[in-house]
Amino acid sequence: EVQLLESGGGLVQPGGSLRLSCAASGFTFSTYAMSWVRQAPGKGLEWLSAISNTGGATYYADSAKGRFTISRDNSKNTLYLQMNSLRVEDTAVYYCAKGEVWFGSDGMGVWGQGTTVTVSS
Amino acid sequence: QSALTQPASVSGSPGQSITISCTGTRSDVGGYNYVSWYQQHPGKAPKLMIYDVSKRPSGVSNRFSGSKSGNTASLTISGLQAEDEADYYCNSYTSSSTLVFGGGTKLTVL
Repeated sequence: EVQLLESGGGLVQPGGSLRLSCAASGFTFSTYAMSWVRQAPGKGLEWLSAISNTGGATYYADSAKGRFTISRDNSKNTLYLQMNSLRVEDTAVYYCAKGEVWFGSDGMGVWGQGTTVTVSS
Repeated sequence: QSALTQPASVSGSPGQSITISCTGTRSDVGGYNYVSWYQQHPGKAPKLMIYDVSKRPSGVSNRFSGSKSGNTASLTISGLQAEDEADYYCNSYTSSSTLVFGGGTKLTVL
């Protein structure tokens, strides 16, 4: 069964850092692009970042650029999101999602259950 | 990158058809055939319903269909069922090599 399992969320103070992980199983992880998407409480979906299958290309929304870094370890079948200088407005459920060969087409067909990040003093 | 524009809510009775619009610009919806649609039930992860404007993933009911005209994409649900009640989001690739979502539409089945 194709699965994605996020972890690493929690409570962090403004200005702090957090690294999210997304463990993939049931498919050849190194073949597919991956994305991070978040959803603030009561709000809509916001795409944050994507990474190519090899990790050689990364893409960011303006809201993530400069503070968030996406990466992957294909030997561990794991996707990461390093988040620095966190703000109260970064409070959200963070989802990882599986794309296809290229992140821009074919949609995001598999999603994790999400991990909650709360930024508060 | 500005969010795509969707109606905040739509409603329909069981058996009816509804259409949700998603308006962007030539830099996103109008410029590429890379529009996807997601269904999200409360407290659940999103589910891909349509990709590349009009393609349906395996397992998605053929009651769901997608189309595009100019800068506006549309999701049509025919034969509305109670289980279709959910939030729906469109998404498009953009000329900035990013993805952008719409604000979401709450579908109520009366």
